[in-house]
Amino acid sequence: ETGVTQTPRHLVMGMTNKKSLKCEQHLGHNAMYWYKQSAKKPLELMFVYNFKEQTENNSVPSRFSPECPNSSHLFLHLHTLQPEDSALYLCASSQKAGTSGYEQYFGPGTRLTVT
Amino acid sequence: EDQVTQSPEALRLQEGESSSLNCSYTVSGLRGLFWYRQDPGKGPEFLFTLYSAGEEKEKERLKATLTKKESFLHITAPKPEDSATYLCAVRLNTGGFKTIFGAGTRLFVKA
Repeated sequence: ETGVTQTPRHLVMGMTNKKSLKCEQHLGHNAMYWYKQSAKKPLELMFVYNFKEQTENNSVPSRFSPECPNSSHLFLHLHTLQPEDSALYLCASSQKAGTSGYEQYFGPGTRLTVT
Repeated sequence: EDQVTQSPEALRLQEGESSSLNCSYTVSGLRGLFWYRQDPGKGPEFLFTLYSAGEEKEKERLKATLTKKESFLHITAPKPEDSATYLCAVRLNTGGFKTIFGAGTRLFVKA
């Protein structure tokens, strides 16, 4: 596997369910990101982890809980979501240590529908 | 407030008709400006990074330029396969990883 992978690609969940999104990067990067992309809105940065430490939390509701066990894996745990949380959730990674590579490489996203 | 604005919202071109997309930004400090391409149902694909005013980058039919207030993505003689949404993003010079994206320009190129 190369690049950034995300599973599942599609997820339908009820408002009382608990689910998790998984992201894995194979690029040797040290930073990983979660973004939310809603129709006709800019990508919204949710969380950033650098070397497993959270460096950004963009005022995200507590029903979204990130986890970064190592520099290659990132999870987003979901519980008691609202219909307005339906969106494309994108994972990205960046910045191989020792370079100036701030550009981000994205996974294909998880299309989440909350019913 | 830090802001990134892209225009136009949508652009329809005939094949071979060159044009430019605009990304204007108002931020406290710029670490880098990025252009991405996003196809429907896929994640954004990195195209260019620009770090300072006057810098230019080229790739096939695309050329990105940067001034102190805006960036342009010039598309020369576009083809139908260039149809996509083009996203501009700014990484802030705040010592962290905060990145602000514009809403994108949807480009349609007709054969």
